[in-house]
Amino acid sequence: DADVTQTPRNRITKTGKRIMLECSQTKGHDRMYWYRQDPGLGLQLIYYSFDVKDINKGEISDGYSVSRQAQAKFSLSLESAIPNQTALYFCATSEGQGYGYTFGSGTRLTVV
Amino acid sequence: KNQVEQSPQSLIILEGKNCTLQCNYTVSPFSNLRWYKQDTGRGPVSLTIMTFSENTKSNGRYTATLDADTKQSSLHITASQLSDSASYICVVVGDDKIIFGKGTRLHILP
Repeated sequence: DADVTQTPRNRITKTGKRIMLECSQTKGHDRMYWYRQDPGLGLQLIYYSFDVKDINKGEISDGYSVSRQAQAKFSLSLESAIPNQTALYFCATSEGQGYGYTFGSGTRLTVV
Repeated sequence: KNQVEQSPQSLIILEGKNCTLQCNYTVSPFSNLRWYKQDTGRGPVSLTIMTFSENTKSNGRYTATLDADTKQSSLHITASQLSDSASYICVVVGDDKIIFGKGTRLHILP
């Protein structure tokens, strides 16, 4: 099993729909992150969480919300999807600031 | 402004050849610099992490260098293989920021 699992892998949804992307990890890391990747751009941070009771906005949090259900689970929601949220979404975990990330395989989201 | 600039944007080389990818940054204060490899459709995978005091770090055929004075890093790939075809992303970590470069897309031709 992968250390960081994202579901679904691919999703097509209509404008205005609510959608949830899920992430679970087996690394035992406290820190979890959601990133968005657009073609030709670097990864942009949406939200991050350093433990179950800690949620922080990233650079581009507007239009998104998150829930940290447990140490191992961190979900990202789009309350009302819009086409410019079409992107590749990555969940990542980290042991701490001096440590690298472990990324999931990504969710490719298309909003039509 | 905290920035990470990578060059070239894309690179095509023949299998077996060496190549060097560049990363310049303006992130301050600086904590560490990371190189990731991202295969198409997959999440990035860590190659190296270097702190201020480290000048070079190797991971198999990948060797990263860091010059913290000039704020430059490079990733050298030796004896390239077809499986090296991927995007290579430079990430600079400051005290409270993590900045991703846009990546260099590397294509290895047989």
